[in-house]
Amino acid sequence: QLQLQESGPGLVKPSETLSLTCTVSGGSISSSSYYWGWIRQPPGEGLEWIASIYYTGSTYCNPSLKSRVTKSVDTSKNQFSLKLSSVTAADTAVYYCARHSWVGWEYYFDYWGQGTLVTVSS
Amino acid sequence: QSVLTQPPSVSGAPGQRVTISCTGSSSNIGAGYDVQWYQQLPGTAPKLLIYGNSNRPSGVPERFSGSKSGASASLAITGLQAEDEADYYCQSYDRSLTGSGVFGTGTKVTVL
Repeated sequence: QLQLQESGPGLVKPSETLSLTCTVSGGSISSSSYYWGWIRQPPGEGLEWIASIYYTGSTYCNPSLKSRVTKSVDTSKNQFSLKLSSVTAADTAVYYCARHSWVGWEYYFDYWGQGTLVTVSS
Repeated sequence: QSVLTQPPSVSGAPGQRVTISCTGSSSNIGAGYDVQWYQQLPGTAPKLLIYGNSNRPSGVPERFSGSKSGASASLAITGLQAEDEADYYCQSYDRSLTGSGVFGTGTKVTVL
């Protein structure tokens, strides 16, 4: 059974960089059939796609966040990571990592991590 | 910045049928991209409920069904149960933003 687990600090100061890692177990991040994504959810609000990465390093990012986002993948550790710079209180959210299929007309997230709350506060 | 619009809330008594609409545009659902539905129980991660417009992953009860027409989609829950009380999100792909998975605004389902 595929499992994803987010890790990273729960508290980040304004203007600093938020760093999160997702560790994948029960399957290979190098699978040719899937991308790996980040989604966030501010408290009491809806879901927002942040970015996706393929094991080869190809990446895609929400245009509204693109200037602040850095994405990477480490196939040797079966992990992928997200860095979000210059954070503000508006970046406070539960951050999820997820596996997604992207083939032809289909694009969906089938396995999700449990999520990690990141609070931006001094 | 949700580009898919859902009603904020729907409600129904146990055993009833409820539907949730998801309205997109010609750059996402209307362009032919599949629609997915996710169920989010309080304090938990979203769970894939419907993929490819109308397909249920293994383990999802048959009372959940999805459909798509034009630039809109719908999720129906028949035989509503107390455990169905949750937030539901539709999701698709938007070709105007390469790589962008777009989510709906979300709908809270309340079982009366």
